[in-house]
Amino acid sequence: NAGVMQNPRHLVRRRGQEARLRCSPMKGHSHVYWYRQLPEEGLKFMVYLQKENIIDESGMPKERFSAEFPKEGPSILRIQQVVRGDSAAYFCASSPFAGDAGNTIYFGEGSWLTVV
Amino acid sequence: KNQVEQSPQSLIILEGKNCTLQCNYTVSPFSNLRWYKQDTGRGPVSLTIMTFSENTKSNGRYTATLDADTKQSSLHITASQLSDSASYICVVSTQTGANNLFFGTGTRLTVIP
Repeated sequence: NAGVMQNPRHLVRRRGQEARLRCSPMKGHSHVYWYRQLPEEGLKFMVYLQKENIIDESGMPKERFSAEFPKEGPSILRIQQVVRGDSAAYFCASSPFAGDAGNTIYFGEGSWLTVV
Repeated sequence: KNQVEQSPQSLIILEGKNCTLQCNYTVSPFSNLRWYKQDTGRGPVSLTIMTFSENTKSNGRYTATLDADTKQSSLHITASQLSDSASYICVVSTQTGANNLFFGTGTRLTVIP
């Protein structure tokens, strides 16, 4: 999973500020997925993007959260007006295919957001 | 409701000993089941992946089993090492694509010398 790069690894924001998390997929991967892991809970799917398109955002909160994966540059998960409940680890994963073909999904190291 | 339950929640074993972690799921329809290892502060790393027709899959000292009829899986770790200390997460997929993964909360394994 060393190939999927996330930054920052740790981010502290005050309530009401914005948080931007970045994910660069593995080379050759055009499919990016974001997950959130709340304390003591399992990872939960948030959004699936392919270059310039949102394919599935069924796991995204309806307000304050947005994601993009531009033609050039990393995928960005943006959280506006953060609240304490947004404190979590946010993981990005990438794959080369739209369909899951064995072990072709690789996770990044995560970004830990703390809202104070 | 699609759910993945793991037990035990945490486990402490002596170095060199074996252990078995359990996973029960109610995810439907079933596509595949994976076990991941997640070190503290790191991302999940895949250990095994099994489809409906596979009963067992090994990866070094890790052996996963799957009973699709009872919707149960286990991960057996042989001759544990200190580096095995991590969370082990069972993940079940309903369809192809990583947007259809359901994660358990994991078993926190601690191997002590």
